[in-house]
Amino acid sequence: ETGVTQTPRHLVMGMTNKKSLKCEQHLGHNAMYWYKQSAKKPLELMFVYSLEERVENNSVPSRFSPECPNSSHLFLHLHTLQPEDSALYLCASSQDLGPVQFFGPGTRLTVL
Amino acid sequence: AQKVTQAQTEISVVEKEDVTLDCVYETRDTTYYLFWYKQPPSGELVFLIRRNSFDEQNEISGRYSWNFQKSTSSFNFTITASQVVDSAVYFCALSDMDSSYKLIFGSGTRLLVRP
Repeated sequence: ETGVTQTPRHLVMGMTNKKSLKCEQHLGHNAMYWYKQSAKKPLELMFVYSLEERVENNSVPSRFSPECPNSSHLFLHLHTLQPEDSALYLCASSQDLGPVQFFGPGTRLTVL
Repeated sequence: AQKVTQAQTEISVVEKEDVTLDCVYETRDTTYYLFWYKQPPSGELVFLIRRNSFDEQNEISGRYSWNFQKSTSSFNFTITASQVVDSAVYFCALSDMDSSYKLIFGSGTRLLVRP
């Protein structure tokens, strides 16, 4: 595997389900990011981790819970989501919270 | 506040035409970065270019060129002799140099290159 990978690529869940999104980077970076891309809205930065410590939480509702167990892996745990949370969730990584970020292909989430 | 505006929602061209994607930004910072990313149908954003605010030299990379003009707060992207593989959504982004990882994205321009 190369670059940034995300699983699953597609996810459909009900509002009462609990699921997790996974991101893995194979670039040796030490910072990882979660973004939300909704239809007709600019990409929104959700969470930022640097050296496995969370450094940014952009007022994201608590039904989204990130986890970064090591510098290569990032998870986004989801519970009791709303239909408006349906979006493409993109993971990215960079070196040293740098400006150039490398993105994964995203997880297309649909909340019914 | 920082803001990036991509006024062109969708552009459709025929292969081999030249096409320019517009980007206008707003920032109070004197030092900042500007970016272009490409998002093909596969979903991942692909980094194309980063420019520093103090370097207004235009840049060319193959069929791609970028025109940075501080006077008009614009960072436009031109594809010369477009190809079908250029079809994608293109995003312009901005960040300040102190928190350079906080990218502020425009809403994107969808480019369709028809054969």
